[in-house]
Amino acid sequence: DTAVSQTPKYLVTQMGNDKSIKCEQNLGHDTMYWYKQDSKKFLKIMFSYNNKELIINETVPNRFSPKSPDKAHLNLHINSLELGDSAVYFCASARGTIRGYTFGSGTRLTVV
Amino acid sequence: KNEVEQSPQNLTAQEGEFITINCSYSVGISALHWLQQHPGGGIVSLFMLSSGKKKHGRLIATINIQEKHSSLHITASHPRDSAVYICAVLETSGSRLTFGEGTQLTVNP
Repeated sequence: DTAVSQTPKYLVTQMGNDKSIKCEQNLGHDTMYWYKQDSKKFLKIMFSYNNKELIINETVPNRFSPKSPDKAHLNLHINSLELGDSAVYFCASARGTIRGYTFGSGTRLTVV
Repeated sequence: KNEVEQSPQNLTAQEGEFITINCSYSVGISALHWLQQHPGGGIVSLFMLSSGKKKHGRLIATINIQEKHSSLHITASHPRDSAVYICAVLETSGSRLTFGEGTQLTVNP
């Protein structure tokens, strides 16, 4: 199936832990994104990579670090997790910047 | 004030009704997206438009660049249309999407 796939779908972890969320797309897109959806369902961009290069880095804590080993992958690593990091994180990809986006199914992160 | 404003925030309709969701934005854009988020959480891209009008099945999206306004219409609404509809604009200044807060649509049978 052609898609944007995120793993895991659910992640429950304790404060202070380090965790990673993986994202892979097999659509041949050259731009990938990480978005955070808070408890009020508001989506906000965190990072964007184009051809493995970071092009957008919004004001997020430096505990969040994206890693793009190749064009098809954009992983999100989070250090020293805090309660406020609890949210749904969406990965998305697009071909360039003027084409339609394809979203992953989201990762619900709960920090306890 | 958010750069992308949607109205209404919540909308309840009876099956068969014609529905309109509005989106206004205050920045220069190269494109506007309408997204649908189902109760299960998945997000689907419905339309991307930069001018005029697009139609897909019972869904119609229009945009007026001069007025910085877009509308999403659903004809003959159905309970399966119940979802959150999100407007997002691709700013000309960058390559990122800025999202509206979404409109929760509930269509009752």
